[in-house]
Amino acid sequence: AQKITQTQPGMFVQEKEAVTLDCTYDTSDPSYGLFWYKQPSSGEMIFLIYQGSYDQQNATEGRYSLNFQKARKSANLVISASQLGDSAMYFCAMRGHNTNAGKSTFGDGTTLTVKP
Amino acid sequence: SQTIHQWPATLVQPVGSPLSLECTVEGTSNPNLYWYRQAAGRGLQLLFYSVGIGQISSEVPQNLSASRPQDRQFILSSKKLLLSDSGFYLCAWRTAEEAGGRDTQYFGPGTRLTVL
Repeated sequence: AQKITQTQPGMFVQEKEAVTLDCTYDTSDPSYGLFWYKQPSSGEMIFLIYQGSYDQQNATEGRYSLNFQKARKSANLVISASQLGDSAMYFCAMRGHNTNAGKSTFGDGTTLTVKP
Repeated sequence: SQTIHQWPATLVQPVGSPLSLECTVEGTSNPNLYWYRQAAGRGLQLLFYSVGIGQISSEVPQNLSASRPQDRQFILSSKKLLLSDSGFYLCAWRTAEEAGGRDTQYFGPGTRLTVL
């Protein structure tokens, strides 16, 4: 079984500052992928970044980077230079590569508010 | 490029009425398809997934059913809605196989269902 834990229901950050959103996971799969999605108030789920469990380097996508610590089973999302448009709910998810049909498990999310 | 459509965008239905939500994907073949439900302020709960036409797997016992009559069409149904069926329903797709498991789930715009 897989489990994703996001311990921060809400976070605040000042515009232009960096923020870290926490995510810890648990799985018995030896190979897996970790994902972060952004959900603005409109409801759409926007894919942000992917980290494979065997990737040697932490993933980066523009202002998004993933601080992957495999031994600690954590995959924190770092957003640099926050913008007002970053205000949204953020979900961490994972999928075991041996999981049937590629089913993903999602955390409960963190609501990020960027202050001007 | 691939796109995913869902309709209707919003729906208000009385308790006991039937339901049919439709999801279609364009620009890809033989995708894995998923139905998720999201309660207000919560994460995503996987309801059904499908790896091919006519192949449906249910994740949780419930009042809903799913069907996949065509390769790129996924339908969520109910014969009699309950109050607890209210929520935000998201359809998602991913390619069936991709090297290293780097494939991502992509989500539709969602349907907001209110059962009164």
